[in-house]
Amino acid sequence: QVELVESGGGVVQPGGSLRLSCTASGFTFSSYALHWVRQAPGKGLEWVAVISYDGRNTFYADSVKGRFTISRDNSKNTLSLQMNSLRVEDTATYYCAKGGPGWLDAELDNWGQGTLVTVSS
Amino acid sequence: QSVLTQPPSVSGAPGQRVTISCTGSSSNIGADYDLHWYQQLPGAAPKLLIYGFSNRPSGVPDRFSGSKSGTSASLAITGLQAEDEADYYCQSFDSSLSGSVFGGGTKLTVL
Repeated sequence: QVELVESGGGVVQPGGSLRLSCTASGFTFSSYALHWVRQAPGKGLEWVAVISYDGRNTFYADSVKGRFTISRDNSKNTLSLQMNSLRVEDTATYYCAKGGPGWLDAELDNWGQGTLVTVSS
Repeated sequence: QSVLTQPPSVSGAPGQRVTISCTGSSSNIGADYDLHWYQQLPGAAPKLLIYGFSNRPSGVPDRFSGSKSGTSASLAITGLQAEDEADYYCQSFDSSLSGSVFGGGTKLTVL
């Protein structure tokens, strides 16, 4: 079965950096787009970024554009999110999610359990 | 303010039918991008409930159904059960934003 396990969350000061990872198993990793989605405490879901199956195409939410970078290593079944210039409002649980068949409007058919990022001084 | 608008809350008694709306625009649902629904139980990660407006993944009960009308979509839950109490989100792609978008979420309370 599909499994997605996030890691790398923690507490960081405003302006700092953090790198999240998501290790995947149970499916052909190199065949599917992957997403990061976040959820601030007590708030709704916010889509963050997507990367194509081959890593050549990426899209970002305006709120993170220029600060976050999504990447993948298909040889290691790993998805990453490099987060720079972190702000208090980036505090959230970050989920990685597998895209379904298709590309930009495909469903997110499997989700990890999330990793908490807290930006605080 | 999300580009996909959902009611903040809905409620119903056990056994009843409830619907949750998701109103979009010409840059998402109206542009023929697919719309999906997710269920998030308290303290859990989101789970895909409906994909492509009306398709159920395996394992999702047929009490859950989805539909599309113009630039809107709806999720219907029949035979409401206590375990359905959760937050529900719609999601699509928006060409103006060049990215995916979620609705603000709807909290379902089973009375």
